[in-house]
Amino acid sequence: DQQVKQNSPSLSVQEGRISILNCDYTNSMFDYFLWYKKYPAEGPTFLISISSIKDKNEDGRFTVFLNKSAKHLSLHIVPSQPGDSAVYFCAASAGGGNKLTFGTGTQLKVEL
Amino acid sequence: DADVTQTPRNRITKTGKRIMLECSQTKGHDRMYWYRQDPGLGLRLIYYSFDVKDINKGEISDGYSVSRQAQAKFSLSLESAIPNQTALYFCATSRTGRAAFFGQGTRLTVV
Repeated sequence: DQQVKQNSPSLSVQEGRISILNCDYTNSMFDYFLWYKKYPAEGPTFLISISSIKDKNEDGRFTVFLNKSAKHLSLHIVPSQPGDSAVYFCAASAGGGNKLTFGTGTQLKVEL
Repeated sequence: DADVTQTPRNRITKTGKRIMLECSQTKGHDRMYWYRQDPGLGLRLIYYSFDVKDINKGEISDGYSVSRQAQAKFSLSLESAIPNQTALYFCATSRTGRAAFFGQGTRLTVV
């Protein structure tokens, strides 16, 4: 039972445009959400997070939006850069955050 | 030096062999985790530990065991490796259980 879903395995965007990565979840107990970025041959690195008491969190070019009623979050990257090409994982935790549940990942390719 | 170090980085082993993957951290975090990554399946939690005396099973613990030798060390063992344990394995640490810091991974191939 996949509690965190990323339905798009891949996304291709032109440099300078907006990248939008989507994530859906089914567990209503999740109250904290994170995005990780992963380059080949490296471990995932933390990118940005959001608590369920907020609907938006921004950090530079990266913004995460949370729609609790739809159980949906998205990551916006503006403007997209070639160095953003990586696999992006969304993750979620519930009450106190003992562990993270990850989605299946979306491969983002930013083309020149 | 990396905050979370995994050894080995790559390993090929034969079916039925016992293998241990090691993880050490310098972040001073109490919480440590082992995940495996498979294509199309994302990262799945194998085991996690909140301190030396606290070990918990994750969603896919069958066929694996762990040992928390110290706050900084958490090892994962495959008692009798099988081909479907071929995967990329990641160790992670966390202070709060929210954001986790990952090692660079161990690519394990069971032939």
